[in-house]
Amino acid sequence: QKEVEQDPGPLSVPEGAIVSLNCTYSNSAFQYFMWYRQYSRKGPELLMYTYSSGNKEDGRFTAQVDKSSKYISLFIRDSQPSDSATYLCAMGIIQGAQKLVFGQGTRLTINP
Amino acid sequence: DAGVTQSPTHLIKTRGQQVTLRCSPKSGHDTVSWYQQALGQGPQFIFQYYEEEERQRGNFPDRFSGHQFPNYSSELNVNALLLGDSALYLCASSLEGPAVYGYTFGSGTRLTVV
Repeated sequence: QKEVEQDPGPLSVPEGAIVSLNCTYSNSAFQYFMWYRQYSRKGPELLMYTYSSGNKEDGRFTAQVDKSSKYISLFIRDSQPSDSATYLCAMGIIQGAQKLVFGQGTRLTINP
Repeated sequence: DAGVTQSPTHLIKTRGQQVTLRCSPKSGHDTVSWYQQALGQGPQFIFQYYEEEERQRGNFPDRFSGHQFPNYSSELNVNALLLGDSALYLCASSLEGPAVYGYTFGSGTRLTVV
């Protein structure tokens, strides 16, 4: 079983739709959670990070963490064609290990 | 302010050959991590360098090795290339500390092994 599972999609929605992206994880030691966006032929760029259970909002993006269920989500409101990219969840532990563990990525297309 | 610079951008090698990939970290960053991203997969951690030493290593064979120079730039070397080594190799730089403080990724080197 992979430490982090992410539905690879692909996911295609019309412009303006609300998008929900999800990851589950098995390692209860994970302490912080991130979402990265990766455009074609580019490296991942950090969208959001959070340490605790609950919601964190940044503009049209909301990150949600449920540690009891080992489940994280990213919501995109009023989706735009420029949001079309692959979205990667990532997790890590603050002490000791320096690495991030990534999900498989979900390829998202927003249709005008 | 330049971000993370990786070279070359694309590379084609023959099975059994050796390859060296290079990374210049973002200005002010002192830690370099390398990730392998196979097509349709998320990045997988190879290793991290800090103060010119390998600090942590992922589940990759000894064919993968690296180096960090005094100016914080880094190289990733892969020996005896296999077809399965074909992937996007990403370099990420950061300040010393947990990855939560922020990685900056380069655009990667696309390695194709034929």
